[in-house]
Amino acid sequence: SYELTQPPSVSVSPGQTARITCSGDALPKQYAYWYQQKPGQAPVLVIYKDSERPSGIPERFSGSSSGTTVTLTISGVQAEDEADYYCQSADSSVVFGGGTKLTVL
Amino acid sequence: QVQLQESGPGLVKPSETLSLTCAVSGYSISSGYYWGWIRQPPGKGLEWIGSIYHSGSTYYNPSLKSRVTISVDTSKNQFSLKLSSVTAADTAVYYCARHHDDGSGSYYNGWFDPWGQGTLVTVSS
Repeated sequence: SYELTQPPSVSVSPGQTARITCSGDALPKQYAYWYQQKPGQAPVLVIYKDSERPSGIPERFSGSSSGTTVTLTISGVQAEDEADYYCQSADSSVVFGGGTKLTVL
Repeated sequence: QVQLQESGPGLVKPSETLSLTCAVSGYSISSGYYWGWIRQPPGKGLEWIGSIYHSGSTYYNPSLKSRVTISVDTSKNQFSLKLSSVTAADTAVYYCARHHDDGSGSYYNGWFDPWGQGTLVTVSS
């Protein structure tokens, strides 16, 4: 079955840039989506169609795609960005990555 | 603004059927979109269970397909999930969400937004 691979954890200091990657063989031909999930809360969409940002999501969140890897970039990380982040895509079925815990030091 | 709310028993016995309902407000299900179910075992990642189109067409995760039924009740503006023959491995927070189509015409090419708050279902005797 198709898999999306994310690093288990990423750590950054406040004000720095965090980059979270997601790899999958079908990503060159399928869009990717990103969700933020804080403890005890439902996931929230932060990026859709690789790089589009929903209304209400801060501009510091951006997405990009290159080959079999998509990247969620958070510029000027704030303490409130500490959360789990999941990528989602598809290859004849909906698939989520395993999630990345972002720690703000 | 669209809001979704899950409801159903929080405890289900092994081998029985888990049943949940998602009530939608702020949007009429019959007007469009897919509507989906996603679950998250405690401390683990997200797993898509299945989605239903507003017309009633259903799409399921192949790994769960034999045990899952999703239906829609447009008169009540809600959709439902049934998962049969549950085991402890089905213990999870279950979320419902609106499932957007990216325009490609394939249900799996889309994103989930917004999500309900989630409901914990524990499978235990």
